Order: sequence, then C-alpha cells, then structure tokens
Amino acid sequence: GENVEQHPSTLSVQEGDSAVIKCTYSDSASNYFPWYKQELGKRPQLIIDIRSNVGEKKDQRIAVTLNKTAKHFSLHITETQPEDSAVYFCAARLTGGGNKLTFGTGTQLKVEL
Amino acid sequence: IAGITQAPTSQILAAGRRMTLRCTQDMRHNAMYWYRQDLGLGLRLIHYSNTAGTTGKGEVPDGYSVSRANTDDFPLTLASAVPSQTSVYFCASSDEAPDTQYFGPGTRLTVL
Repeated sequence: GENVEQHPSTLSVQEGDSAVIKCTYSDSASNYFPWYKQELGKRPQLIIDIRSNVGEKKDQRIAVTLNKTAKHFSLHITETQPEDSAVYFCAARLTGGGNKLTFGTGTQLKVEL
Repeated sequence: IAGITQAPTSQILAAGRRMTLRCTQDMRHNAMYWYRQDLGLGLRLIHYSNTAGTTGKGEVPDGYSVSRANTDDFPLTLASAVPSQTSVYFCASSDEAPDTQYFGPGTRLTVL
C-alpha cells in the first residue's frame, strides 16, 4: 500500500514570511495529491490539490509542487497571516485504488505576530 | 443543504459496550469513508464504501464494522469498545467528479 511521510511536524514562522511543508510518497502509481487544513476543533478542509499530470498549481497565496521522479510534493504558503495557523495534512491516492486517500501525519503551523 | 453530518458530537463509553456512530450526507455522493484521527498519527482510513451496497476495509479495520444500505447513510459500529478506540472519528464523502473528499464535523469518542 501507499505510505506518506510529512515534514516538519511543527513549523513556526513570522507573519509575512513563507512556509513550506514537504511530503514524500512511496508508490509511483499515486496520481492525486490533496492538501487539507484543519483548524483546532474543526474538520479537515481541502485547500488545494494537484494531479500527477501537473507539476505546479497555485491559488492566491498557496501553491503546491509535485516531483514525480523523486516522489515528493510540497505546499508553499506565502505572505503568511495569523489565520493560516492550523494543522496541514498532505495525502496521496493510488491509481486504481478508488478514491482512498493515505494521509501524512500532519504539520502544526504557527504564524507569530 | 446540511452537507455531511455526524452524531453524536461526543460520547463517553464504557469498555465492552456497543456503539454506533452515525454519518449522513445529502450531497448524493457515491463514496463514503470513515477515518480515525489520533495525535501524531494523522487520519487513518477504517472502512470505506464506493457505492451503496458495497464496503471495503481500510488501513485499521479491526474492531469496527460498517454498512451501506443506501446512498445517504454510512454508520460505523464498534461491537465491543476498547480504550484504544478512544479517538476522533471523521466521516467523509466524495463523488466521482470532482473527487474531493468532504469531511463531517467529527465525533469525539472516549472509551474508559
């Protein structure tokens, strides 16, 4: 099965700085890589996703990059704001595995004023 | 439109008791999922259902069972709860296209 590793487990940045969270996956057959944001006590919510036929995707201050050769993908948040403070999860989905996701263990992002 | 709902919000349960967590969606999504979330372990798939009438095992299925009698409901049953099943449980659903998984608000379960 798929295995997803996520780093770092905690990340603290100053407001306005950039934050980068990295994930690696084990199975080269994975084809879909979503990122979820979870605020304290709330449900995970999709913030951006990327498919294996695309190398980069951007949505305002957030972007995701995918390196299929190295089997890793990253979340980039620019101009961080206090409301970006949350736990972020990456996930991967295997081709032919239905829509089952394997999640990373999460990154606690804290944006300090 | 409620989206996806779960009940109860939280529950304290004695070990050995039977418990059913409820999940209902009104988006007519074909696929539904149950995850448990534990600190440091992320979200782990317990069981899933690609369509009404079918179910499958995820990463951590032991001690849990599910049923999918119709499109909207996907209950998760703990036949005989144990303390290691203390966790936050999230239900999710998705359609074929787009295939985004949408999560319910979660159920916090404590087994004593």
